[in-house]
Amino acid sequence: AQKVTQAQTEISVVEKEDVTLDCVYETRDTTYYLFWYKQPPSGELVFLIRRNSFDEQNEISGRYSWNFQKSTSSFNFTITASQVVDSAVYFCALSEGGSARQLTFGSGTQLTVLP
Amino acid sequence: EAGVTQFPSHSVIEKGQTVTLRCDPISGHDNLYWYRRVMGKEIKFLLHFVKESKQDESGMPNNRFLAERTGGTYSTLKVQPAELEDSGVYFCASSQDRGRMGLNYSNQPQHFGDGTRLSIL
Repeated sequence: AQKVTQAQTEISVVEKEDVTLDCVYETRDTTYYLFWYKQPPSGELVFLIRRNSFDEQNEISGRYSWNFQKSTSSFNFTITASQVVDSAVYFCALSEGGSARQLTFGSGTQLTVLP
Repeated sequence: EAGVTQFPSHSVIEKGQTVTLRCDPISGHDNLYWYRRVMGKEIKFLLHFVKESKQDESGMPNNRFLAERTGGTYSTLKVQPAELEDSGVYFCASSQDRGRMGLNYSNQPQHFGDGTRLSIL
């Protein structure tokens, strides 16, 4: 069975600090996809990134970066030089298989960036 | 391009009443999903449509929940009769179909609506 664990329930940082959100997943499939979503206070879920299980290359997008390590079944998300607007709940999610499938979400990490 | 839209944004009903939630996916997206998050818990999958067909309804909690997707366009999720434990936020998401070009087009990102907050009194 698939499972996603986000052990950090809440994190508070001061603006301009770097912060890493952890995500550990479990799956028996060799083909799977990992996702990160952001849920700002307004409530919508905003897609941030998708990675497939065959591509372990880390990715950077502006202040955001993702570290995918199959050896530890982790897909961690780092925000560099955090800003107040980064305050949100961040969800990691997993989808097994190569075609459109349901997402299994972690419980989310509430990030608060203080000015 | 319009995103996924959900209606209503908030619904308050009494236990035993019926409520119908609506989702309009992004135009051209064959896949439509329903999820919900009950208070303090994780976002859980309910079901998945491919066009008008139910691909996977393994997450539907019981037969008080009925989902339809007429003509493969918008979808409705009816709860009848509503119970207290049905309170939560119901999300709809849509994604493009798997392309014919191979793995790179598989499992496209799901784009979510703003959700419907359902409160059962």
